[in-house]
Amino acid sequence: GAGVSQSPRYKVAKRGQDVALRCDPISGHVSLFWYQQALGQGPEFLTYFQNEAQLDKSGLPSDRFFAERPEGSVSTLKIQRTQQEDSAVYLCASSQRGNTEAFFGQGTRLTVV
Amino acid sequence: AQKVTQAQTEISVVEKEDVTLDCVYETRDTTYYLFWYKQPPSGELVFLIRRNSFDEQNEISGRYSWNFQKSTSSFNFTITASQVVDSAVYFCALSEPKNSGGSNYKLTFGKGTLLTVNP
Repeated sequence: GAGVSQSPRYKVAKRGQDVALRCDPISGHVSLFWYQQALGQGPEFLTYFQNEAQLDKSGLPSDRFFAERPEGSVSTLKIQRTQQEDSAVYLCASSQRGNTEAFFGQGTRLTVV
Repeated sequence: AQKVTQAQTEISVVEKEDVTLDCVYETRDTTYYLFWYKQPPSGELVFLIRRNSFDEQNEISGRYSWNFQKSTSSFNFTITASQVVDSAVYFCALSEPKNSGGSNYKLTFGKGTLLTVNP
């Protein structure tokens, strides 16, 4: 596609519910990143994929967070047993290679009630 | 540890004024990249510039210019003759590939500066 596409744009989840957030990167982009952006803050790194390999998951805040990119294109970020502190915008970014600029999607705004 | 500080939380100017957004960074590496992104109300982060740590030449792109000074660890961004469409949150970011495993160019962002340009 023309840009990075994320779905859904908005998600309201009840506390304890599991959610899955989808990212469609730009076609052919090797690198894929997930970031979490709390209200009024800058994005914070969650995890990084190079093709289908998850090379860095050091930013995932707990074992309730899980990400995958099984075929090296679409990625899914899953949050189990959501908590109120998980409320944030989740941004996905992709780049051709690691050392080129990253293009961001519009994000998924998750609200846990 | 890498850190990016954007001391200005909010700036408000009148259209056609020049405005400078400050960015100060901390890094322990000699090889790194600096970035500026714009985040309009729609939410996506729009790439503006990437600068290699070895290239201290200032850059101008239309009404935008960037001043990179390694001596003060600063990478400031100036908008000349601001326009209402420039209103957005602007983020400065740092990437240290060497300390990120060599291939992971993950970004460390500042907290952003909200720029409001009034007509």
